[in-house]
Amino acid sequence: LAKTTQPISMDSYEGQEVNITCSHNNIATNDYITWYQQFPSQGPRFIIQGYKTKVTNEVASLFIPADRKSSTLSLPRVSLSDTAVYYCLVGHSGAGSYQLTFGKGTKLSVIP
Amino acid sequence: EAQVTQNPRYLITVTGKKLTVTCSQNMNHEYMSWYRQDPGLGLRQIYYSMNVEVTDKGDVPEGYKVSRKEKRNFPLILESPSPNQTSLYFCASSPYPPGLAGEWGYEQYFGPGTRLTVT
Repeated sequence: LAKTTQPISMDSYEGQEVNITCSHNNIATNDYITWYQQFPSQGPRFIIQGYKTKVTNEVASLFIPADRKSSTLSLPRVSLSDTAVYYCLVGHSGAGSYQLTFGKGTKLSVIP
Repeated sequence: EAQVTQNPRYLITVTGKKLTVTCSQNMNHEYMSWYRQDPGLGLRQIYYSMNVEVTDKGDVPEGYKVSRKEKRNFPLILESPSPNQTSLYFCASSPYPPGLAGEWGYEQYFGPGTRLTVT
């Protein structure tokens, strides 16, 4: 089962680009990588999902190298409202099991 | 409005008193899941369900039961709660298992959470 490792916390100033890296050394061939955002006292919210190379949507970009052992969530020009915990999630879809393992999350603090 | 609802939102109970936390989704999703969230440990999956009558264990299933008799409902049952089950619980659903190979965009929709305290 693929486990994930992320930095516990990060600080950034408003307007800067933020990159959060997640390590998933044991990722399986069929696994996708998903990132969620969580504000205090709320359920997590989907940000982006990818399998390999680069994925971009209106909120973020996701970079996945060829070996897929890590992934990087990139948030362009963060604002105070981006202060949240960001989770990396790797889905395990082998042998009929669809268990999901979240990382412990990265607490991003955006500073004015 | 498409949503996942949980009840109750807050619950304080005593050790050993059976309780059920309900979860319901109105999006006709196949996959449903329960998570607990504890400080420093992030989100951990308790149980998940691929469809009606199909459930399986997640990372931390001990002390919990689930059932999936209807597609929209996925209750979490604590037969004999203990203080170490004090936590914030989230229910989630998605059209199919998130991250399933060959498929894209199966994001999970999370409920608002249930804060449980067992004394």
